[in-house]
Amino acid sequence: GDSVTQMEGPVTLSEEAFLTINCTYTATGYPSLFWYVQYPGEGLQLLLKATKADDKGSNKGFEATYRKETTSFHLEKGSVQVSDSAVYFCALSRSNTGKLIFGQGTTLQVKP
Amino acid sequence: GAGVSQSPSNKVTEKGKDVELRCDPISGHTALYWYRQSLGQGLEFLIYFQGNSAPDKSGLPSDRFSAERTGGSVSTLTIQRTQQEDSAVYLCASYTGTSGRTGELFFGEGSRLTVL
Repeated sequence: GDSVTQMEGPVTLSEEAFLTINCTYTATGYPSLFWYVQYPGEGLQLLLKATKADDKGSNKGFEATYRKETTSFHLEKGSVQVSDSAVYFCALSRSNTGKLIFGQGTTLQVKP
Repeated sequence: GAGVSQSPSNKVTEKGKDVELRCDPISGHTALYWYRQSLGQGLEFLIYFQGNSAPDKSGLPSDRFSAERTGGSVSTLTIQRTQQEDSAVYLCASYTGTSGRTGELFFGEGSRLTVL
């Protein structure tokens, strides 16, 4: 069945460091791919998305490119801030129902 | 309200008791999901409602779990005879149901269930 695998955390970085959180997926066809973020004490919210191969999603300085050849959707940011500390979830949606399948989540902690 | 509302935000119960968790989705959203987030785990799909169609119950972990959605709006997730392994954060999300494959869900802040 469909699945999403994320790199294990926690990831601890210093402010202004470069961030990569790896995400790979298994799915038939052409899923849509997403990154959701959960800030401390808040609900999950969509960070960015890509709906077809080679699309790049971007938001708040974060980027991820839909790579069909490597079935990946790695999240990157050039310079993280303390306020980026959160749990990041990679997800895919293969049907038109909007049903999302999530990865395990990766905790990011950014230290001043 | 403007967002997805869940209640209670925290629930502590004794093993063997029944609990009900409520979700009030965004007005006009036709689709509603329940997910479970356990410590150190990802989000586990439980059940999905879309309009008047039969719900997708494929994620419910046992027959102690059930959910209903009345009038196409508010949903209640019921856990009977709770067990300690049911302790988790239960998340509700709603979706417009009109944006095809984009799949953007709007989540509530969750109901944290602790079974003693």
